[in-house]
Amino acid sequence: EAGVTQSPTHLIKTRGQQATLRCSPISGHTSVYWYQQALGLGLQFLLWYDEGEERNRGNFPPRFSGRQFPNYSSELNVNALELEDSALYLCASSLANRELYGYTFGSGTRLTVV
Amino acid sequence: GENVEQHPSTLSVQEGDSAVIKCTYSDSASNYFPWYKQELGKGPQLIIDIRSNVGEKKDQRIAVTLNKTAKHFSLHITETQPEDSAVYFCAASRRANNLFFGTGTRLTVIP
Repeated sequence: EAGVTQSPTHLIKTRGQQATLRCSPISGHTSVYWYQQALGLGLQFLLWYDEGEERNRGNFPPRFSGRQFPNYSSELNVNALELEDSALYLCASSLANRELYGYTFGSGTRLTVV
Repeated sequence: GENVEQHPSTLSVQEGDSAVIKCTYSDSASNYFPWYKQELGKGPQLIIDIRSNVGEKKDQRIAVTLNKTAKHFSLHITETQPEDSAVYFCAASRRANNLFFGTGTRLTVIP
């Protein structure tokens, strides 16, 4: 069974540009979560999508947005990139009963803003 | 929202010794407490979890304990091995909500 797939693996953007990150969940998983992991720091919750709807949002500015497609894949968009947006962006997926099955994480997209 | 604190931030142990990582949480409604291990260049991987109706769970060399009254839970690794070296994250959530993670503990097992 394929795990959670994220693309691209690495992304380099210039300050002010837009970045799009993509995530394919495990087959059968309907929930997708996005987390930001800045260097040396923990996992900060960004967004949670379930059945195509945004269920919760972390304490991030509106320039962080995303969506979930009918096939449950998801993309994260970051507009007007700032240097401090440089981080590892992790996507995770879960079944509906997440407290029973937990999350499965992908390997992340390393975003570098220069 | 939920606030999870994790200690220590770094931990070094000799191979064969035990390691203990502690977390506290703020939301008394939280009922699911997983632990993740993150190796260099990889995403976090679930290693063990516990639910609020259980006080302790063990899986080979790894065990987790939960004290709901005090709102804290701990990860215990016995007979540590070099391959246990990684960053460990605790997390907490309530039903139908996302996970909130601790700040991580970098464990180094010295051969």
